[in-house]
Parts: sequence; structure tokens; C-alpha cells
Amino acid sequence: ETGVTQTPRHLVMGMTNKKSLKCEQHLGHNAMYWYKQSAKKPLELMFVYSLEERVENNSVPSRFSPECPNSSHLFLHLHTLQPEDSALYLCASSQGYSASGDSLDTDTQYFGPGTRLTVL
Amino acid sequence: AQKITQTQPGMFVQEKEAVTLDCTYDTSDQSYGLFWYKQPSSGEMIFLIYQGSYDEQNATEGRYSLNFQKARKSANLVISASQLGDSAMYFCAMGKAAGNKLTFGGGTRVLVKP
Repeated sequence: ETGVTQTPRHLVMGMTNKKSLKCEQHLGHNAMYWYKQSAKKPLELMFVYSLEERVENNSVPSRFSPECPNSSHLFLHLHTLQPEDSALYLCASSQGYSASGDSLDTDTQYFGPGTRLTVL
Repeated sequence: AQKITQTQPGMFVQEKEAVTLDCTYDTSDQSYGLFWYKQPSSGEMIFLIYQGSYDEQNATEGRYSLNFQKARKSANLVISASQLGDSAMYFCAMGKAAGNKLTFGGGTRVLVKP
């Protein structure tokens, strides 16, 4: 496997279900991200992990619970979702995450193929 | 706050011709990066090209080039010699050097006609 992989690619779940999305990066990166892409809305950043520590939580409802057990794996645990949570969920990784702004460059983020989630 | 604007929701381009996708941005940061991503119907966001705010030369990657005009705050993508496989959504994004958070534009859908 190369790059960033995500499983499952498609998921249909009821509002009372509990499911998890998985992301794995094979790039040796230290930062991982979850994004949500809804129809007709720009891509929204949800969470950022740097060296397995959560460094950003963009006011995401608690029914979304991320987990980063190591720098290669990122999970998004889902429970009691709403139909408006139906979207494409994209995972990304980058070499680093600079919170202090000590670099002039912005690390490129590489994305996985996404999980298309439908909540019934 | 950062903002990215892509004014072209969709466009057609003839195969083998060049196409320019517009992107303007707004930021008060001195250090930032500008990215273009391609998203085919399969959903994956594919990185195309990057331009740092301090780069004096326009970035180029194969058939992709970024027309960076800092004073105008624009970062247009030029795709030369369009191919049928270029049909996709194209997103312009901006990231701060501090924090690495990306702000995306609304995207432009490109359809290449044979």
C-alpha cells in the first residue's frame, strides 16, 4: 500500500449505529487530519493530530470522536449521527504541523480516497 | 481569517487546449502557502501544485503552472494541453505556515470535451 488509504470507502448507517472510519498513511508523516466534504460546501477541517496528539478540534460535535493510536493510523468513531452528517470524509497527512510558525513553508497535505457516509 | 474565492463554478475546455482556473485569496498573514488539488468523481483529493508566498518564481509541475500575483492576491492554475482525464473538480486552498490548516475554495468543475 502506498500513500493514504481509507476504509471503508462507502458506509451506510442508521442514526443509532456506532461505526468507525479508518485512515492509514504510508508516507512516514507526523500529522494527520480529518476533513468533511458536504454537498455544495467547501471542505471543512474537523481534527488535526500531530505526533499522536490532538492539536485542533474545529468545533466538531461530540458524536464524532477521533483517535490516533500512532502516527500512521487515524480513526473517526461515529455514534448517534444525524442525516445532515452524510458527507464524504477525507483523511489527509503531512510531514509536520507547525504550531509556532517557525517555517515559511506550509507542508503539503496528501489525501486519501475518502469514505462516503450516508446516515439514514 | 483566510478566505479563498473561486468564481468559476464550471467550465468546458476543448481537448489539447489550455485552461485557466481562477483563484483569489484574502489573508493578513505574511507567510502562507497556496495549493491546487484535483478531485475526480472517485473522491480522492490529488495534490497538483504548491506556491509559497515568498517564492518569487511561479510554480510549475508538468502541465500545471500557477500564475501567482501577490499584489492582486491571485493564484490562478493553468492546465496546458488538456486531456480527457483532466475532467474533475479543482480546488484552490491556502495554508498558514503556522498551523498548517488549509482553507479551501468552493471549487471549479472542469469538463474536457474531445
